[in-house]
Amino acid sequence: QQQVKQSPQSLIVQKGGISIINCAYENTAFDYFPWYQQFPGKGPALLIAIRPDVSEKKEGRFTISFNKSAKQFSLHIMDSQPGDSATYFCAASMGYSGAGSYQLTFGKGTKLSVIP
Amino acid sequence: GAGVSQSPSNKVTEKGKDVELRCDPISGHTALYWYRQSLGQGLEFLIYFQGNSAPDKSGLPSDRFSAERTGGSVSTLTIQRTQQEDSAVYLCASSSRPRLAGDDEQFFGPGTRLTVL
Repeated sequence: QQQVKQSPQSLIVQKGGISIINCAYENTAFDYFPWYQQFPGKGPALLIAIRPDVSEKKEGRFTISFNKSAKQFSLHIMDSQPGDSATYFCAASMGYSGAGSYQLTFGKGTKLSVIP
Repeated sequence: GAGVSQSPSNKVTEKGKDVELRCDPISGHTALYWYRQSLGQGLEFLIYFQGNSAPDKSGLPSDRFSAERTGGSVSTLTIQRTQQEDSAVYLCASSSRPRLAGDDEQFFGPGTRLTVL
């Protein structure tokens, strides 16, 4: 049972455009939602994360929007650059409250290509 | 400072052989995780170690998989009698807290790419 669904599988965006990746989760006990960025041959690296008491978090060109009632969250990359070309994973865990599980449940990833 | 390191970076083995994958976490990190990344499957949790506590093995796919962590530092993931479906990238991550809190993050190593012929 896939608990975090991510879309699209792949995305092509022109330089300067906005990249949008969406995720939906099923388990309402999830309370921590990070996004990871992975370049070929490298391990994933944390990009930005949000908790459900906040509807939006922005760090530079990266913004997470969170809709608790819809159980959805999304990553927006503004002014997308060729260097942003990578695979992006959304994830969720129940770790923030200190209770329950702590491992990350990942979406299947979105391969982003930003073309000049 | 040094990040999470894993060895070997690539491993090719024959079906039925045993393999050992090694993870060196960031010094001082008490929590260590193993994940498996398969084509089209994203990352799947395998096992979690925290200090001297009993590991959480709930993600291990079969009893052919086992892992240990010696001295609260280095960890070894062992796969016995490898099968072709075990082919994947095995990722190790460590964190400074036992559980995710706030923006605490898991730091991932580069992974070991396992190919079972």
